[in-house]
Amino acid sequence: AQSVAQPEDQVNVAEGNPLTVKCTYSVSGNPYLFWYVQYPNRGLQFLLKYITGDNLVKGSYGFEAEFNKSQTSFHLKKPSALVSDSALYFCAVRDGSGGYQKVTFGTGTKLQVIP
Amino acid sequence: EAQVTQNPRYLITVTGKKLTVTCSQNMNHEYMSWYRQDPGLGLRQIYYSMNVEVTDKGDVPEGYKVSRKEKRNFPLILESPSPNQTSLYFCASRPQGQGYGYTFGSGTRLTVV
Repeated sequence: AQSVAQPEDQVNVAEGNPLTVKCTYSVSGNPYLFWYVQYPNRGLQFLLKYITGDNLVKGSYGFEAEFNKSQTSFHLKKPSALVSDSALYFCAVRDGSGGYQKVTFGTGTKLQVIP
Repeated sequence: EAQVTQNPRYLITVTGKKLTVTCSQNMNHEYMSWYRQDPGLGLRQIYYSMNVEVTDKGDVPEGYKVSRKEKRNFPLILESPSPNQTSLYFCASRPQGQGYGYTFGSGTRLTVV
């Protein structure tokens, strides 16, 4: 069975500082990895994905994520945090085998950027 | 605008009174899913559909039904709601090809009293 772990319920970071939101995964096949963001009273929005290729992927709003196969991690990063980045972040994994494959989401990490 | 539309946004109902939450997408996506979001549990899949008339159970299907008679619509039906179905529900869709992320609706906050 596949799984996603987001070990931190909340991450606090000062505005202008770099931020990291951690994610580790477990999947039997090739991992397809995703990050989503949820603002209050809104649905989830797609941020970025890793399917294959370069281990560093860039996404919306200046976010990037690094795929590390040996550590089975896919941490979300941003060089300089903004107050407007405060939101709930979800990591998700899907098995990259053919056909329909279920997406499994983590429990979410609340990011608080302090002015 | 490409979007997934859910209705209603908020719903308070009583135990046992049948209800339907509608979901419609205008992107011609093959795959559609329903999730519930609960504190500390993240998103859990209720049902999914790979195309018209093709549906299957997710992780937490008990107490729910779905149908996919048209490609754009994927309603979630609670035949006899119970208080443990109080939750935030999301509909999502994506294309059939590999590597696509989901587009989510804005959510339906359901309270069953």
